[in-house]
Amino acid sequence: DVKVTQSSRYLVKRTGEKVFLECVQDMDHENMFWYRQDPGLGLRLIYFSYDVKMKEKGDIPEGYSVSREKKERFSLILESASTNQTSMYLCASKVRDRFNQPQHFGDGTRLSIL
Amino acid sequence: SQQGEEDPQALSIQEGENATMNCSYKTSINNLQWYRQNSGRGLVHLILIRSNEREKHSGRLRVTLDTSKKSSSLLITASRAADTASYFCATDARGNNRLAFGKGNQVVVIP
Repeated sequence: DVKVTQSSRYLVKRTGEKVFLECVQDMDHENMFWYRQDPGLGLRLIYFSYDVKMKEKGDIPEGYSVSREKKERFSLILESASTNQTSMYLCASKVRDRFNQPQHFGDGTRLSIL
Repeated sequence: SQQGEEDPQALSIQEGENATMNCSYKTSINNLQWYRQNSGRGLVHLILIRSNEREKHSGRLRVTLDTSKKSSSLLITASRAADTASYFCATDARGNNRLAFGKGNQVVVIP
C-alpha cells in the first residue's frame, strides 16, 4: 500500500513565522500535491509537482511556496504565516502519466496561526 | 476551475439502510473519483469510474456515471456505523493529474 506521511498532525505557529510542512511518500510517485481544506470550501489545490525540482501553481498559490529536492519529499512553505492560513493541509501523491489512477493522501496537518 | 458538486450535503440514516449521494460537474472528464474522509483524517480513495463506463461496483459501493447529464451517484448499500464520514467526488477533467473536488457530503449512520 502507498503510504503518504505528513510530518505533523497538529501545528501551532505565530503570525509572521516561516512555516514548513513536510510530506513524504514511499511509492516512487512522480506527482505530489498540496491542498488546503476549509469548511464550506472543500479541497483547493495550492501547488503540485510532477518531478524533482519541478512545480506548478494550483488554484490558490498566494502566500505559499514549495520545494521538491528529492522525489519522495514535497515541502510546503508559508513564507510569512498569517491567520487566514489557519487550515487543514493535505498532501497527496500519484503515479505519473496514468490518467486513471487515484491520488493517495496523507492524514493531514491541522495548522493554527495565532 | 471545474468543480464537482455533491447533493445532498448532509445525510443521516439508520444502520442497514442504503445511502445515495449525487455529484454534478460542468465540463468533459476523463474519469470521476469518489473519496471518503473520516473526521480529522486524510482522504481515502473509494472508486474510480472512467468516462466510457456507466456503472461500477466495489463491495457495498455502486457508482454510476451519466456523461450526458454530467452527473454521478454513489450508493452505499447496507450501511454501517463505520460508514459515517464525508464523501467527496472529484473529476479529472484534462488528464493532467489535477483533480477538481466537490465540497463534500456528510453521511451519519446511526447504529
